[in-house]
Amino acid sequence: GENVEQHPSTLSVQEGDSAVIKCTYSDSASNYFPWYKQELGKRPQLIIDIRSNVGEKKDQRIAVTLNKTAKHFSLHITETQPEDSAVYFCAASKTGKLIFGQGTTLQVKP
Amino acid sequence: EAGVVQSPRYKIIEKKQPVAFWCNPISGHNTLYWYRQNLGQGPELLIRYENEEAVDDSQLPKDRFSAERLKGVDSTLKIQPAELGDSAVYLCASSPRSDTQYFGPGTRLTVL
Repeated sequence: GENVEQHPSTLSVQEGDSAVIKCTYSDSASNYFPWYKQELGKRPQLIIDIRSNVGEKKDQRIAVTLNKTAKHFSLHITETQPEDSAVYFCAASKTGKLIFGQGTTLQVKP
Repeated sequence: EAGVVQSPRYKIIEKKQPVAFWCNPISGHNTLYWYRQNLGQGPELLIRYENEEAVDDSQLPKDRFSAERLKGVDSTLKIQPAELGDSAVYLCASSPRSDTQYFGPGTRLTVL
C-alpha cells in the first residue's frame, strides 16, 4: 500500500537558521501533499500544502517543493524562530485518504 | 468560523469497557474523518465519511470499533470492548472537499 517516509526524525537548529524536512512517497498517483505542525498536546495544524500540478509553493518563511519524478517533497523553513519548535508531519493523498509520515521533531534553540 | 469540535478531550477507562467519542465538523464540510494517533507517530485513518456514507472503512477494526454519522453532520466513534492497545489520541477531521483537512483537538484515550 501507500507509504510515506519522512526524514530526519529529529532536527535541531539555531534560531535564524533554515530547516529542511524531506518526505518520499510510494504511490505515483498521489496528487496532494500537505504539511502539518503539531505542538505538544495540540491538534495538527495545516501550515502549507501543494498539489501535483505545482513544483513549488511559498508562504512567508515556509516553502514546499515537489519532485514528482523522484516522488519526494520537502518543507523549507527559513529564519527559524523558537515558536517553530514542534513536530512536523508530511502527508500524501490521491483520493482524500491522507497517508502520514512518521513526523520530525524540530527544536529551534534561541 | 468555529473549528472541528471533539468531546471528551480526555477519557480513562478500564479494559473491556465501552467508550464513545463525538465530533462536530466545521459547518458545511461534507467529508469527515476519524484518525488514530499513537504516541510518536503520524495519524492513521480509521474511517472516512462523505455526508452520511462511509466511503472508506478499510482500516477500521470492525470487531470492536463502530462509527456513525447520522444526518451527515456530527459523528460518533465507539469502541466496545476497549483493549489496552487502544490507548491513543483519536482525531476527527473535516474537509470541504476530499483533500484539505482540518483537525479537531482530539480525544486522548487511556485504557487501564
